[in-house]
Amino acid sequence: NAGVTQTPKFQVLKTGQSMTLQCAQDMNHEYMSWYRQDPGMGLRLIHYSVGAGITDQGEVPNGYNVSRSTTEDFPLRLLSAAPSQTSVYFCASRGKGQGRNEQFFGPGTRLTVL
Amino acid sequence: GENVEQHPSTLSVQEGDSAVIKCTYSDSASNYFPWYKQELGKRPQLIIDIRSNVGEKKDQRIAVTLNKTAKHFSLHITETQPEDSAVYFCAATSRTSYGKLTFGQGTILTVHP
Repeated sequence: NAGVTQTPKFQVLKTGQSMTLQCAQDMNHEYMSWYRQDPGMGLRLIHYSVGAGITDQGEVPNGYNVSRSTTEDFPLRLLSAAPSQTSVYFCASRGKGQGRNEQFFGPGTRLTVL
Repeated sequence: GENVEQHPSTLSVQEGDSAVIKCTYSDSASNYFPWYKQELGKRPQLIIDIRSNVGEKKDQRIAVTLNKTAKHFSLHITETQPEDSAVYFCAATSRTSYGKLTFGQGTILTVHP
């Protein structure tokens, strides 16, 4: 199993540009999430999904959109990039049900907005 | 919503010493408390977790304790080694949170040889 994969690893955008961060998992996990990591602030939840076709907002959703058309994929879209969105983005997934609490993280995407 | 506070923000110890990191949470419905280790430039990786029906859990040199009444939980690392140097995050979630984790701010642990 590849686990959770993310592309790209690094990205530089100009203010106002849009882009999509890709995330995929091959563990048939129902739950998927996007977090951003900023220095001194831990990981903060942007959006999450409990299954295909179902998404909801997390703690810091503004400026981001998500969709979940399949169990495997959970892309994160930046609509109009701003310097405040410079961060490291992690996608994560976990299974549903008792004993499947462990959340697995992807390798991250380091995004810089100029 | 849940709020998790983590202390200290930095911790420096000598090799062989013990290290303790503490977290408090606000939501009494939280029932699962994982700890993640993140090395520089890498993804967070689960090192130990505890559920609310257990007071303590050990795995070799690491242990986690949970006090539900006081709403705090702690990570204990004994006989620290330089390879334990990393950022450690605590987190909390509840059964009704559908896997959404609320993280503490992180602790930078440095183990000096």
